[in-house]
Amino acid sequence: GAGVSQSPRYKVAKRGQDVALRCDPISGHVSLFWYQQALGQGPEFLTYFQNEAQLDKSGLPSDRFFAERPEGSVSTLKIQRTQQEDSAVYLCASSLGKGAQNTGELFFGEGSRLTVL
Amino acid sequence: QQPVQSPQAVILREGEDAVINCSSSKALYSVHWYRQKHGEAPIFLMILLKGGEQKGHDKISASFNEKKQQSSLYLTASQLSYSGTYFCGTGFNAGGTSYGKLTFGQGTILTVHP
Repeated sequence: GAGVSQSPRYKVAKRGQDVALRCDPISGHVSLFWYQQALGQGPEFLTYFQNEAQLDKSGLPSDRFFAERPEGSVSTLKIQRTQQEDSAVYLCASSLGKGAQNTGELFFGEGSRLTVL
Repeated sequence: QQPVQSPQAVILREGEDAVINCSSSKALYSVHWYRQKHGEAPIFLMILLKGGEQKGHDKISASFNEKKQQSSLYLTASQLSYSGTYFCGTGFNAGGTSYGKLTFGQGTILTVHP
């Protein structure tokens, strides 16, 4: 498809389980972002990639959160030993990145809703 | 620091106007506006980069007052399709690499009735 694709759309995990969330950005988009959105709140920045390089991971809440983008396209957000407070929608967004063509617009996916029981 | 949006919610009849405000306690480089419908992806509306600049398309426009560290989103002659939650996102880094690293407000829920 032409947009940002995320999977799974819904994930239910038992406390302590590991989960992996996948993001397929728009082809050719250099920049990729992960955001966490709690119910009724605005998205909160987690981490940023430029191609395969993770340039900013200042928003990751703990060392249980890990993100990668090994070939500069698909990205995976992994959460180890999930806790109830990890329950949220995880949004992935991509953009063109640097350059005159970049309007600053982020293209978001529909998100992966994680529920930890 | 999270920008503060006001009002938290607004209910309109079709054709009415609304203003949503976004204020920050920190100096701003850019303000980004997004709309999100329930269960869907946030959709980009516009970005404002300079103080006092006003942008718009169709019947939605926005202003950015750099001195006051605030932005306002104006929706005129609202349509049913305008319903959703509006978020402002503030950017603090003038470098291109942090363009998408935004701090979002808590959102304003807009409901338009026929």
